[in-house]
Amino acid sequence: AQSVTQLGSHVSVSEGALVLLRCNYSSSVPPYLFWYVQYPNQGLQLLLKYTSAATLVKGINGFEAEFKKSETSFHLTKPSAHMSDAAEYFCAVSETGSQGNLIFGKGTKLSVKP
Amino acid sequence: EPEVTQTPSHQVTQMGQEVILRCVPISNHLYFYWYRQILGQKVEFLVSFYNNEISEKSEIFDDQFSVERPDGSNFTLKIRSTKLEDSAMYFCASSYDRGTNIQYFGAGTRLSVL
Repeated sequence: AQSVTQLGSHVSVSEGALVLLRCNYSSSVPPYLFWYVQYPNQGLQLLLKYTSAATLVKGINGFEAEFKKSETSFHLTKPSAHMSDAAEYFCAVSETGSQGNLIFGKGTKLSVKP
Repeated sequence: EPEVTQTPSHQVTQMGQEVILRCVPISNHLYFYWYRQILGQKVEFLVSFYNNEISEKSEIFDDQFSVERPDGSNFTLKIRSTKLEDSAMYFCASSYDRGTNIQYFGAGTRLSVL
């Protein structure tokens, strides 16, 4: 069965510092991988996706993630945090050839200190 | 930019009552999903819907739940007899292409069962 593990339910960084949000997955077949962001009182917004093309994926708002098959990881990074990045971030996986339902991690709440 | 809209944003109901949560997916999308997020827990898949029938459903989606696309635009989730444990945020999502499976989410309906 597929699963997603996000290490750290809460990450706090200073403005301008590197953001690193960790995601590990388990899947029996090559997966599609996603990062979604949820701002307060809003829905889930797609940040980026990996669908078996380039392993380094660039998303919106300066975020990127690298698919590492050997480590079954898809960590999300941003070189320099901005106050507006404060939100909850969800990693999700779906299997190629599946009906498309997403399996989500528990989420990581990112706080950015001035 | 097209978006998925959900109504109401907050629904309060008494245990045992029926509720209908409404969603208007993006107009040219073909695949529709419901997810829920119990407070403090991960986002969980409930059901996917395509070509006017359920494609896949999770264990959570028991006989108390049903989905319908009554008029070609709305996509509804009905809970026949609500239980306290149904209290959660319910998200609707839609996608055009199951292949790359980019799902667009609504802002959610918070269901409170008293």
